[in-house]
Amino acid sequence: DQQVKQNSPSLSVQEGRISILNCDYTNSMFDYFLWYKKYPAEGPTFLISISSIKDKNEDGRFTVFLNKSAKHLSLHIVPSQPGDSAVYFCAASPPGTSGSRLTFGEGTQLTVNP
Amino acid sequence: NAGVTQTPKFRILKIGQSMTLQCTQDMNHNYMYWYRQDPGMGLKLIYYSVGAGITDKGEVPNGYNVSRSTTEDFPLRLELAAPSQTSVYFCASSYPGRGQYNSPLHFGNGTRLTVT
Repeated sequence: DQQVKQNSPSLSVQEGRISILNCDYTNSMFDYFLWYKKYPAEGPTFLISISSIKDKNEDGRFTVFLNKSAKHLSLHIVPSQPGDSAVYFCAASPPGTSGSRLTFGEGTQLTVNP
Repeated sequence: NAGVTQTPKFRILKIGQSMTLQCTQDMNHNYMYWYRQDPGMGLKLIYYSVGAGITDKGEVPNGYNVSRSTTEDFPLRLELAAPSQTSVYFCASSYPGRGQYNSPLHFGNGTRLTVT
């Protein structure tokens, strides 16, 4: 039962353009969502988060959008840079866990071409 | 400040062998976690701990054991290795945030385990 799903295993964009990574979830009780970035042979690193009471959170080039009715979130990276090439995981947290005990999606490999 | 340190980086086990994956953090974080990541899959929570002496099962605990005798260390034990435990294992830690949510998880660089 995959409660958090990233349907695109890979995405390729040109440097300077927008990257949009998508994530769907099935558990309407999730109340906190995060995006992590992972380079090869390293652990995931935190990128940006959003609570379920918001629909947008922005941090520099990264913006996360949450559509609760559609149970969908997306990560926008503008402008994309070659250093953004990595695997991106979305993750969700159930209520009562203070944003811990995350459920992760399968990941999307983003490649930004110079 | 090393963050979360995992050892070993790589290990090959034969079926039925046992081993302990080590995890230590120097950030004084209360919470620690073990995840596994199989190819093409997301990370799945094996066990977690909210403090020394307290551990609890995650989504996929079967075949594993943990202990938390100190704040810093959270070892993961495999007693009878099986091919299904071939995976990359990540340890992580976090601390209570000022607001409603804990800090984001800080991950180690993983242990790649192969069971043959």
